[in-house]
Amino acid sequence: KNQVEQSPQSLIILEGKNCTLQCNYTVSPFSNLRWYKQDTGRGPVSLTIMTFSENTKSNGRYTATLDADTKQSSLHITASQLSDSASYICVVPGGTPTGGGNKLTFGTGTQLKVEL
Amino acid sequence: DAGITQSPRYKITETGRQVTLMCHQTWSHSYMFWYRQDLGHGLRLIYYSAAADITDKGEVPDGYVVSRSKTENFPLTLESATRSQTSVYFCASSESTGSKNIQYFGAGTRLSVL
Repeated sequence: KNQVEQSPQSLIILEGKNCTLQCNYTVSPFSNLRWYKQDTGRGPVSLTIMTFSENTKSNGRYTATLDADTKQSSLHITASQLSDSASYICVVPGGTPTGGGNKLTFGTGTQLKVEL
Repeated sequence: DAGITQSPRYKITETGRQVTLMCHQTWSHSYMFWYRQDLGHGLRLIYYSAAADITDKGEVPDGYVVSRSKTENFPLTLESATRSQTSVYFCASSESTGSKNIQYFGAGTRLSVL
């Protein structure tokens, strides 16, 4: 069964500090992995998409890494800001889509809170 | 406004009532999706559509009906609402299903079934 597991479930850090969120997946065949940011009361917004050939990808203060051999990804946030408070969701397309649908397997997310 | 919009944002209904959640996108994306988000679960796919008049079931379709007569609209209907359908519902759209396509999400509809 395709699964995406994230850790930690929740995290509290002080503004200006760095943090790293983890994602383990068991999805086959693997094509890419996505990180989404979901603010409270809003829909998820894409941060980055990584294919199996990409080890590292940055989007501003967000840096995602991917190890396709161990099926692990991480999202590193540098110099955190209050606006980084959100749920961060790891998403992997769930194998070969049928009927043309792009079926995604979503993790349950890591709830990050940045405090003063 | 450009983008993907959902309505209503909040809805309270009673068990057994029919409820329709609306989704409208202005990008002319071919693909549209309905998800539900519950505590302890990742987003789960209810239904999706590859084009107008083409729809297919997702992971949790029971109790839901969709239609897509126009490319830009993808309403989700709960024919007879149950308490287990209390959830936050998200609509999404994407241009294609290529390996790097992005799904764009609406702001969600919070539905409470009493």
